[in-house]
Amino acid sequence: QSVLTQPPSVSAAPGQKVTVSCSGSSFNIGYNPVSWYQQFPGTAPKLLISDNDKRPSGIPDRFSGSKSGTSATLDITGLQTGDEADYYCGVWDNRLSVVVFGGGTKLTVL
Amino acid sequence: EEQLVESGGGLVQPGGSLRLSCVASGFTFSSYWMSWVRQAPGKGLEWVANIKQDGTQIYYVDSVKGRFTISRDNAKNSLYLQMNSLRAEDTAVYYCARKGLPDLWGQGTLVSVSS
Repeated sequence: QSVLTQPPSVSAAPGQKVTVSCSGSSFNIGYNPVSWYQQFPGTAPKLLISDNDKRPSGIPDRFSGSKSGTSATLDITGLQTGDEADYYCGVWDNRLSVVVFGGGTKLTVL
Repeated sequence: EEQLVESGGGLVQPGGSLRLSCVASGFTFSSYWMSWVRQAPGKGLEWVANIKQDGTQIYYVDSVKGRFTISRDNAKNSLYLQMNSLRAEDTAVYYCARKGLPDLWGQGTLVSVSS
């Protein structure tokens, strides 16, 4: 059972918008910046969003992140079939003194 | 190009040991915290350990404390993970990653613990 809670799956049609949520606590999301990762089957994770809402160079602006209180959100607009992947949130946990990841959310583009 | 390349994975019997290595290139290795993250087959990501730039601060997830040791050699741009007393539940792809909350990942190396 993960310290951070994500929905196991989300789905939407091409061109639509989808939101992936990540719920934590005052020990992690409530205090520290959140990162989001994209992972395709058989490959390494890739950083999508850092510091709650910052996109690294090369990440399309269709991907955006936000944080409010003890929850964080990843929004993906203009969905493409190539966005089908697993998405993970991650953050440092002050109580556990470890990095914690959400359980992951599988995105299906219908 | 910034890159992390892991090696050292393989099949090992329960109770055995393995040492993973990661070589960094394309960035100043000595300027960053470094981490190991693992992913069991079909499961999510699990952070394992990280180490400060000069090795003076180290953190481990509880499940590996006392069995795994993270270390680094800045002169060789290398990160290591010594894994002892391996268990079946340690079976996973192990990723080397830059920073405590990673911003760059290696391709991973598979560790299988089985008799």
